[in-house]
Amino acid sequence: QKEVEQNSGPLSVPEGAIASLNCTYSDRGSQSFFWYRQYSGKSPELIMSIYSNGDKEDGRFTAQLNKASQYVSLLIRDSQPSDSATYLCAGSPGDYKLSFGAGTTVTVRA
Amino acid sequence: KAGVTQTPRYLIKTRGQQVTLSCSPISGHRSVSWYQQTPGQGLQFLFEYFSETQRNKGNFPGRFSGRQFSNSRSEMNVSTLELGDSALYLCASSMDRRETQYFGPGTRLLVL
Repeated sequence: QKEVEQNSGPLSVPEGAIASLNCTYSDRGSQSFFWYRQYSGKSPELIMSIYSNGDKEDGRFTAQLNKASQYVSLLIRDSQPSDSATYLCAGSPGDYKLSFGAGTTVTVRA
Repeated sequence: KAGVTQTPRYLIKTRGQQVTLSCSPISGHRSVSWYQQTPGQGLQFLFEYFSETQRNKGNFPGRFSGRQFSNSRSEMNVSTLELGDSALYLCASSMDRRETQYFGPGTRLLVL
């Protein structure tokens, strides 16, 4: 079992809609969680970090963490064509590494 | 503040050769991690260094090694290259283990 699992997608949403990305993790010791965005041919770019249960909002992005359910999600509101990318969920079990999910590819249709 | 830099950006090698990749972290960052990204396996952790010490190592063969210098710059080495080593090698830096990791542009390695 992979340490971090993502709903594999791909996910296609119309411009202006909400894109919902989900991620589950197996290591209950994980304390920190991150969402990265990766455009084709580029390196991952940090979108959000979340450490506590609940919601964290940054602009059009909202991350949600539920440690009891071992669940992390990312909502992208008012999706734009520039949001088309692969989104990577990562967890940090505290042993100096990040464990990444396989990624979800999002396409925003104009 | 300058970001993470990696050199070279692209590399073509043949089987059996060895390769050394370099990473300069963000100024002030003392932790450097290396990852391998392939279409089939995704992003996989190679190793992490802090203050010249390797603190964790991923599940890769001994052909993969690394080191960190006193100025926090890091290198990774892959010996006896195999076709399956073709990948994007990413370096990420952070202040310390609980801090966010910031990725460099990567080195794309092609083994022929």
